[in-house]
Amino acid sequence: RKEVEQDPGPFNVPEGATVAFNCTYSNSASQSFFWYRQDCRKEPKLLMSVYSSGNEDGRFTAQLNRASQYISLLIRDSKLSDSATYLCVVNLNSGGYQKVTFGTGTKLQVIP
Amino acid sequence: DVKVTQSSRYLVKRTGEKVFLECVQDMDHENMFWYRQDPGLGLRLIYFSYDVKMKEKGDIPEGYSVSREKKERFSLILESASTNQTSMYLCASSTPSGNQPQHFGDGTRLSIL
Repeated sequence: RKEVEQDPGPFNVPEGATVAFNCTYSNSASQSFFWYRQDCRKEPKLLMSVYSSGNEDGRFTAQLNRASQYISLLIRDSKLSDSATYLCVVNLNSGGYQKVTFGTGTKLQVIP
Repeated sequence: DVKVTQSSRYLVKRTGEKVFLECVQDMDHENMFWYRQDPGLGLRLIYFSYDVKMKEKGDIPEGYSVSREKKERFSLILESASTNQTSMYLCASSTPSGNQPQHFGDGTRLSIL
């Protein structure tokens, strides 16, 4: 089983739609979680951290389910500019080091 | 804002050459990382460093080495470039806290001919 798994998509959604991505992780000791956005041929950029109680930033909502070991990202009222690949990231302190694992990403295409 | 700067956006080299990729960060971060990203494989960690002169192998260190002589600079070295090292290379930095995210440079698209 991969340490971090995401559905690669693509998710093709119309403008204005609500779309949700899930990301599962295998190590129950994982401590912190993030969502990144990556545009084509660009570097990943931090979208938002994921907090235990869930958190919202405008149209974006992130949630963590430790019992089932997944995080989710919900995008409401999708815009064309939301088209990108969304990477989930899981951090674990292991042997004094920070072990960071990236998912392979979920591609979102918002269509007019 | 954190600024991570990679020396080149695009680089073309020949098989067998020694290649240096440079990365500089301006936020006094202890941790620095080198990844490569290939279609369908996501980001794969090559090497990382938690302090000056310290380095640790990541998941795919073969064919690469690194140097961290100064805190702000982390260099990736391809000892003898091969065509299978054609890829997008990404440098990142972060604080030591596991609760903090990594910040990436713009990436270097390296082609080995």
